Amino acid sequence: AQKVTQAQTEISVVEKEDVTLDCVYETRDTTYYLFWYKQPPSGELVFLIRRNSFDEQNEISGRYSWNFQKSTSSFNFTITASQVVDSAVYFCALSGGFRYSTLTFGKGTMLLVSP
Amino acid sequence: NAGVTQTPKFQVLKTGQSMTLQCAQDMNHEYMSWYRQDPGMGLRLIHYSVGAGITDQGEVPNGYNVSRSTTEDFPLRLLSAAPSQTSVYFCASSLAGDTGELFFGEGSRLTVL
Repeated sequence: AQKVTQAQTEISVVEKEDVTLDCVYETRDTTYYLFWYKQPPSGELVFLIRRNSFDEQNEISGRYSWNFQKSTSSFNFTITASQVVDSAVYFCALSGGFRYSTLTFGKGTMLLVSP
Repeated sequence: NAGVTQTPKFQVLKTGQSMTLQCAQDMNHEYMSWYRQDPGMGLRLIHYSVGAGITDQGEVPNGYNVSRSTTEDFPLRLLSAAPSQTSVYFCASSLAGDTGELFFGEGSRLTVL
């Protein structure tokens, strides 16, 4: 069965600190995709990144970076120099399971960035 | 482009009442799905559809019905609402294929008293 574990329920940091959100996944599929979504206080789900299982290159997008390590089944997300606007719930998700068109989500990590 | 549109955005029901959450997409996506979000639980799959006339159950299907008569629409029906169905519901759509990238609606907050 598919599973996504986000062990950090809530993280509090002060603005400009770096913060890493952990994600560990379980799957028997050889081909799969990993995602991160952001859910700000307004409630919508904002797509951040998709990574396929054959591409272990780290990715950087501005202050965001992602570290995919297949050997440890992890797909961690780092925000550099955090800002108050980064305060949100962040979800890690895994494709497959019922169908590739559906996602298995972790329980989310709430990030609170204080000024 | 409207994307994925969910209605209503908020609804209060009494136990035993029925209602339908509407979901429409204008991106000609084959795949559509419904998730519910509960505090501390993440999003869990209720039902999904891979095309008109084809639906299947997800992780938490009990108490919900779906149908897919057109590519654009994927309504979620609660036949007899229960307090345990108080949740935020998200509809999503995606292109056919295996990338899994979902486009989400803005969510519908349902309270069952």
